[in-house]
Amino acid sequence: EAQVTQNPRYLITVTGKKLTVTCSQNMNHEYMSWYRQDPGLGLRQIYYSMNVEVTDKGDVPEGYKVSRKEKRNFPLILESPSPNQTSLYFCASSLERGLGQPQHFGDGTRLSIL
Amino acid sequence: AQKVTQAQTEISVVEKEDVTLDCVYETRDTTYYLFWYKQPPSGELVFLIRRNSFDEQNEISGRYSWNFQKSTSSFNFTITASQVVDSAVYFCALSEAIQGAQKLVFGQGTRLTINP
Repeated sequence: EAQVTQNPRYLITVTGKKLTVTCSQNMNHEYMSWYRQDPGLGLRQIYYSMNVEVTDKGDVPEGYKVSRKEKRNFPLILESPSPNQTSLYFCASSLERGLGQPQHFGDGTRLSIL
Repeated sequence: AQKVTQAQTEISVVEKEDVTLDCVYETRDTTYYLFWYKQPPSGELVFLIRRNSFDEQNEISGRYSWNFQKSTSSFNFTITASQVVDSAVYFCALSEAIQGAQKLVFGQGTRLTINP
């Protein structure tokens, strides 16, 4: 089954404790991205990747890192999480990077930073 | 910069009523795409429709229909004879080209509650 898989689905942690949210897609998609969803703000892009070893900042990259060592994986790293990073996170992928490509979203990861 | 506005934060109707969710967008691009996504209470994002800027034909899919009007920069979504299962948060999104890649700019979302 074609899917984007995020782990964990839920995480409660404390300020400053490094964490990684994994994202993996099995569709051989070229383009992947991370979004965060906050009430009243919709979804905002954090980082995106057009291909292996190619990543770039989205609208709200501060406090986050990503890597794309393999085509299928695009982990989101919070080196020193802070309470303002408490949010619902979505990973997405699309076959190509061009306009109009439907993006397939993972089921989301709800992070709470205390 | 691109912007999507969903002015209705929350809508509540009784089952079987028709309901329209508004979406207004801003862009300077001549080629762009618009999307609607549904987020049910379980939290995942479900793709509903994609429309490109050159196709202003309205679309109907069962009880769902979409009205795209470039003249008013709107892409409204109507649910006819609403059902409880339609309760969800709905997002309108606009595609933006960034260095050859697509980024989706989302509206704030409209929380739709269908009461039995």
